Amino acid sequence: GAVVSQHPSWVICKSGTSVKIECRSLDFQATTMFWYRQFPKQSLMLMATSNEGSKATYEQGVEKDKFLINHASLTLSTLTVTSAHPEDSSFYICSARDRGAPNYGYTFGSGTRLTVV
Amino acid sequence: GESVGLHLPTLSVQEGDNSIINCAYSNSASDYFIWYKQESGKGPQFIIDIRSNMDKRQGQRVTVLLNKTVKHLSLQIAATQPGDSAVYFCAEFSRSNDYKLSFGAGTTVTVRA
Repeated sequence: GAVVSQHPSWVICKSGTSVKIECRSLDFQATTMFWYRQFPKQSLMLMATSNEGSKATYEQGVEKDKFLINHASLTLSTLTVTSAHPEDSSFYICSARDRGAPNYGYTFGSGTRLTVV
Repeated sequence: GESVGLHLPTLSVQEGDNSIINCAYSNSASDYFIWYKQESGKGPQFIIDIRSNMDKRQGQRVTVLLNKTVKHLSLQIAATQPGDSAVYFCAEFSRSNDYKLSFGAGTTVTVRA
């Protein structure tokens, strides 16, 4: 079945630095990928929709200059948290959509636990 | 789904009993609804889905019921097992909204041995 690989699974960074998270679709091409953020004991909140070859679409309230998304190929999207601060500490999850797959094609990565110190 | 800022409700169930997890959704235009299971530190896993033109769908040990009149979705798990302990989310999307999945508040299910 469809597999989405997300790396790293966890990262600790210093305040003010940038962190890049990768999301790869391993056995299918994903023209659309989604990035979510999840705080402890809360639901997943959609941050942005990443479209291959075009600019990402951000949800209301999400700073596009802080959360840079690049979807340069059909199998890779990256999320870069720039100038990270402790309040950016969260669980980030990507999802890739395979239009040819069952279950509407949504496959989720295993998530990245970001801790900013 | 109505999820922003809400903490997750909990459900404690005895092993072997049936579980019912409920979800209220807000978008009457949603085309599809999906139930996901999320274990600690992992991404969501697909459980079962249902189209908006259906009111019931069954899978292996799970049944999803959809009541569009009151915008309510439920997931029934038969003979709950310890491995069913997780957080369960309902999610919805509309084709007219670029297939963006919107997640509900989620329910933490704990199975007692």
